[in-house]
Amino acid sequence: EAGVAQSPRYKIIEKRQSVAFWCNPISGHATLYWYQQILGQGPKLLIQFQNNGVVDDSQLPKDRFSAERLKGVDSTLKIQPAKLEDSAVYLCASSLVPRSSDTQYFGPGTRLTVL
Amino acid sequence: AQSVTQPDIHITVSEGASLELRCNYSYGATPYLFWYVQSPGQGLQLLLKYFSGDTLVQGIKGFEAEFKRSQSSFNLRKPSVHWSDAAEYFCAVAGTGTASKLTFGTGTRLQVTL
Repeated sequence: EAGVAQSPRYKIIEKRQSVAFWCNPISGHATLYWYQQILGQGPKLLIQFQNNGVVDDSQLPKDRFSAERLKGVDSTLKIQPAKLEDSAVYLCASSLVPRSSDTQYFGPGTRLTVL
Repeated sequence: AQSVTQPDIHITVSEGASLELRCNYSYGATPYLFWYVQSPGQGLQLLLKYFSGDTLVQGIKGFEAEFKRSQSSFNLRKPSVHWSDAAEYFCAVAGTGTASKLTFGTGTRLQVTL
């Protein structure tokens, strides 16, 4: 069974530029999550999708971050414009159902460096 | 609000020695508890999880964790550490409500000396 795929693996941009990350979840997983992991911290949930609808985006900085999951499969996370403090690893995860007890499977992440 | 504290930022153990990583949580009731491991350049992998019942939970790679309600703890243990166990370990908590999300601790970096 293929795992969660993410691309690119690494991205370096200058502040005020825009960037997009892509995620393809495990086949059949209805729930998709985007996390931000700043160096030295644990992952923090940015947004949760159930199929193509948003379940929780309370911690997403909506003035610069956006995410979509068209057709309820793969997803993109965009930052526009980027700030220095956005440097982090962006992790995508998926689970079969949206229950908090369900196991989340994580992709390898995209390491973003903002100069 | 739920939270997790991992008091040890960095731990070094010798290969073959026993390991215990500490985790304390804050939640109003009995939560769901998880331990994940993150190797360099890789995503997080679930080691084990606790929902209810037996307070000693067995996981993959020889890890186990014990839920202690009175201490609000969920410490991870392994009787004999292998060099390949060197990684970052995250404890996480989730509430039992349908809208509850996963909250992670800051992680403990494990170094294994030969």
